[in-house]
Amino acid sequence: QKEVEQNSGPLSVPEGAIASLNCTYSDRGSQSFFWYRQYSGKSPELIMFIYSNGDKEDGRFTAQLNKASQYVSLLIRDSQPSDSATYLCAVNSNTGNQFYFGTGTSLTVIP
Amino acid sequence: EPEVTQTPSHQVTQMGQEVILRCVPISNHLYFYWYRQILGQKVEFLVSFYNNEISEKSEIFDDQFSVERPDGSNFTLKIRSTKLEDSAMYFCASEGGSSYEQYFGPGTRLTVT
Repeated sequence: QKEVEQNSGPLSVPEGAIASLNCTYSDRGSQSFFWYRQYSGKSPELIMFIYSNGDKEDGRFTAQLNKASQYVSLLIRDSQPSDSATYLCAVNSNTGNQFYFGTGTSLTVIP
Repeated sequence: EPEVTQTPSHQVTQMGQEVILRCVPISNHLYFYWYRQILGQKVEFLVSFYNNEISEKSEIFDDQFSVERPDGSNFTLKIRSTKLEDSAMYFCASEGGSSYEQYFGPGTRLTVT
């Protein structure tokens, strides 16, 4: 059974702070890693994807991948109240076209 | 901006009935997916579809489920004989084919009574 584990939270940070979200995965064959944001009652929205070890930055978001440790993280800098949502980590299978999601981490940014 | 659309937004059906959920993927996308999310639970992969055939499917996607791309635009999920436990939000997603970047539709909430 392929697993993606996330701390369900809730995680609360003050506005302007850095939010750090973590994810571990079990399938060593996974090659692609994704962070989605899901507002309550809405569909997942892709924020970032990462394929290579190291950091990938996009605006206020930085994804970090460590394949040896099977660990993916997402940093949100200068957190805004509009960032309050559930953040989903997803990885693909070693065959490529099957995707596994974590249960998500609920983030609240306090004004 | 192109987007994935899904109809209906909410479907109520009786146990044992067949339902068809419809999706219109982004027009130049090549890969199509169905997921479900039971209330309060994680998003679960059902099936991926490419070049008019199933690419991969999960254990959830048993003989009661089928997918079809009947024309150049629609992508459907059929549940032949619905069960109470099929009640969930069903999301369609599409992807252009170069990077696994999937764009999700707004979902269809299926309620089986």
